[in-house]
Amino acid sequence: DGGITQSPKYLFRKEGQNVTLSCEQNLNHDAMYWYRQDPGQGLRLIYYSQIVNDFQKGDIAEGYSVSREKKESFPLTVTSAQKNPTAFYLCASRWAVGNQPQHFGDGTRLSIL
Amino acid sequence: AQSVAQPEDQVNVAEGNPLTVKCTYSVSGNPYLFWYVQYPNRGLQFLLKYITGDNLVKGSYGFEAEFNKSQTSFHLKKPSALVSDSALYFCAVRDTGGFKTIFGAGTRLFVKA
Repeated sequence: DGGITQSPKYLFRKEGQNVTLSCEQNLNHDAMYWYRQDPGQGLRLIYYSQIVNDFQKGDIAEGYSVSREKKESFPLTVTSAQKNPTAFYLCASRWAVGNQPQHFGDGTRLSIL
Repeated sequence: AQSVAQPEDQVNVAEGNPLTVKCTYSVSGNPYLFWYVQYPNRGLQFLLKYITGDNLVKGSYGFEAEFNKSQTSFHLKKPSALVSDSALYFCAVRDTGGFKTIFGAGTRLFVKA
């Protein structure tokens, strides 16, 4: 079945450590997104990518980095510069044009040790 | 600037009663409007969308939504609630010419048996 796979499901970060969250899709979608979800705040856009080798900052990009070397993969790195990384991170994808909704993975929950 | 408001943090209904989850939006052009549902520790699942045409949109699991252009609203409805409908519901908007989807803060629906 087509879908989006996020891994790991749970992740713990130590002080000063960078961690990378994986997002892989087999839907052949052009566009991919990373969101951060905090209680009561909905989803906030971190980064998005419309095509391979291109990505744009979202509303809360500071302390995060991404790459898009392959169409199916869009990993997110939470750097040590992100002082409050504890959150639920969601990856999504969709066709870059048209009115189709986004498809979401099942998220990664990141906590600080 | 685009925005979405979900004025109720929580909606409580009894099983078998009709339910409404409210959403209002602001967008510069013509909107694509979406409703998603989220169960605990899962990603968002698409329920329905409004693109153009009929103001009453039918979606998954018996849900429907009513688009009202003059009131810039897109309320989610279901004629008879089930306990299994208890979840977090998100309204979202995207300008037809845009790339980003803006999400509301979410409304938690609690259906009591």
